[in-house]
Amino acid sequence: AQSVAQPEDQVNVAEGNPLTVKCTYSVSGNPYLFWYVQYPNRGLQFLLKYITGDNLVKGSYGFEAEFNKSQTSFHLKKPSALVSDSALYFCAVRDIRGSGRRALTFGSGTRLQVQP
Amino acid sequence: DAGITQSPRHKVTETGTPVTLRCHQTENHRYMYWYRQDPGHGLRLIHYSYGVKDTDKGEVSDGYSVSRSKTEDFLLTLESATSSQTSVYFCAISESRANSSYEQYFGPGTRLTVT
Repeated sequence: AQSVAQPEDQVNVAEGNPLTVKCTYSVSGNPYLFWYVQYPNRGLQFLLKYITGDNLVKGSYGFEAEFNKSQTSFHLKKPSALVSDSALYFCAVRDIRGSGRRALTFGSGTRLQVQP
Repeated sequence: DAGITQSPRHKVTETGTPVTLRCHQTENHRYMYWYRQDPGHGLRLIHYSYGVKDTDKGEVSDGYSVSRSKTEDFLLTLESATSSQTSVYFCAISESRANSSYEQYFGPGTRLTVT
């Protein structure tokens, strides 16, 4: 079985400050990890993914995420937050074994609020 | 939204009526998925398809059925809608090429209210 935990329902940060949105995962084998963002009344947009290789992954809109195998974490980060980053963020995981039949498992989401 | 459309975008229906939601893709991707999104639950998989006429159940499939007669279309049917099926429904697709990481791309969603 695979699962994802996002321990914070909401994260508040001031514009210009660094932000971190936390994610931990559980899979039987090695993971593929993903971050998605959802703006109001929109579908989810793919931000970035970890497949293999460097533990620091860079994605869209200046976001990056750090894979830590020993802590089974994949935290989303950005050096300087923008008000426009305010949205709902989802972490997702799937085991690398198997095909696309094994769908992603999503966390419950973290709402990021960036104050001007 | 990656060549994925959903229809209708909004629907209000009464308890006990059948409802069909449509997902249409122009990407020719093999895999298609239906999720529902509810506060505090994130996205939960209802059904998915791994090819034409090939479908399987997800974690919350009770009360739902699906069909895929063409690569581009994936239909989700609520045979007899209940208030617990009030939700936002998202369709997603992913490709099947070798060594793919199977990231999914999402449609804009359908907001369904069952009264």
